[in-house]
Amino acid sequence: NAGVTQTPKFRVLKTGQSMTLLCAQDMNHEYMYWYRQDPGMGLRLIHYSVGEGTTAKGEVPDGYNVSRLKKQNFLLGLESAAPSQTSVYFCASSPGREGEKLFFGSGTQLSVL
Amino acid sequence: GQNIDQPTEMTATEGAIVQINCTYQTSGFNGLFWYQQHAGEAPTFLSYNVLDGLEEKGRFSSFLSRSKGYSYLLLKELQMKDSASYLCAVMDSNYQLIWGAGTKLIIKP
Repeated sequence: NAGVTQTPKFRVLKTGQSMTLLCAQDMNHEYMYWYRQDPGMGLRLIHYSVGEGTTAKGEVPDGYNVSRLKKQNFLLGLESAAPSQTSVYFCASSPGREGEKLFFGSGTQLSVL
Repeated sequence: GQNIDQPTEMTATEGAIVQINCTYQTSGFNGLFWYQQHAGEAPTFLSYNVLDGLEEKGRFSSFLSRSKGYSYLLLKELQMKDSASYLCAVMDSNYQLIWGAGTKLIIKP
């Protein structure tokens, strides 16, 4: 019972490099989310998706892009990494929106030097 | 603006009871969630309140007062494994989750 799988676990980038984080869920959830978590702050929503082929901006979308080509996968891309993007990134999914709990992936620690 | 306030850190003794408070100011209200997050791990769901009152689930209980914009998480019979951060999150009128910064709970023997 895998749930939400997120890869990689750790990543170090140099400023200006690009990368993609992969999130996969096997629960047939419609909604998927990408969050970042920084010390002393609440989780902040980057982008989200309400179904296959859809994406929407969250609270802090600048510098990130996402794609949801398949229902089970939600990709987060950084085209040109900046030190301000150093953070822990969490993917999450939920079956719906109202009153539905989130299931989180294990997180990715990203450092941009 | 929207805001969730909870204490940064709390300390309690093994076997005791602790109450973690959360106050919120949001654009509308569609439910309040509590999550537990152990260091270096992902948040996991603890409780959901949408109506006023107390929800009990084993050693954990969560209370909500919508008129006061207030919730608390009550942990009884504390165990060392309860050492973690506890995150309060409110779903606003647009069904967006607004997250507090979390309360780090330290359990001492």
